[in-house]
Amino acid sequence: QSVLTQPPSVSGAPGQRITISCTGSSSNIGAGYNVHWYQQLPGTAPKLLIYDNNNRPSGVPDRFSGSKSGTSASLAITGLQAEDEADYYCHSYDSSLSGSVFGGGTKLTVL
Amino acid sequence: QVQLQESGPGLVKPSETLSVTCTVSGGSINYYYWTWIRQPPGKGLEWIGYIHYSGNTNYNPSLKSRVTISVDTSKNQFSLKLSSVTAADTAFYYCARQAHSRFDPWGRGTLVTVSS
Repeated sequence: QSVLTQPPSVSGAPGQRITISCTGSSSNIGAGYNVHWYQQLPGTAPKLLIYDNNNRPSGVPDRFSGSKSGTSASLAITGLQAEDEADYYCHSYDSSLSGSVFGGGTKLTVL
Repeated sequence: QVQLQESGPGLVKPSETLSVTCTVSGGSINYYYWTWIRQPPGKGLEWIGYIHYSGNTNYNPSLKSRVTISVDTSKNQFSLKLSSVTAADTAFYYCARQAHSRFDPWGRGTLVTVSS
């Protein structure tokens, strides 16, 4: 069981908006540690998608956005496209474990 | 830009030690933290541990008794050793640069299978 909790799957039609939640606790997200998001396309390595809660690396479309509040964070994707079909993981630091923790991952299906 | 490439044996026997190396190109290994992450086929990501170029390390408590991460700055490489492996250690092993707590970039990963 992962320290950060994500829904196993979400789906949406092309053009729609979806959100993926990442729920933590007072020893990680709730303690103020940053949340990062990674996109893993089929058969490839994860790639940084959002860093420090709501920042996009160069080259990431502005259709992707992140937010954080309390002990949770969210990833939103607007204008859903077929190429967005992938697994998405959240990541933060946990003071109880003194190390990085990941969410269990969410599989996005574009209908 | 910085690129990372993992290299490993592909197949390791149960109870033996798994060894994987990450070669950093396009930049120096100095001044950053470097991390190992693994992913069993079809499952999620697990942080294994990191090393600073100075040699300082931090490991996942669940793996700490079996993990050693080392760095060779002269070769721009860092390595992972995982001892007493079982089938549960079969996974894709990824290396990544750790900066300001985020992992970027990542290597392409190498699959290590534990089987007799």
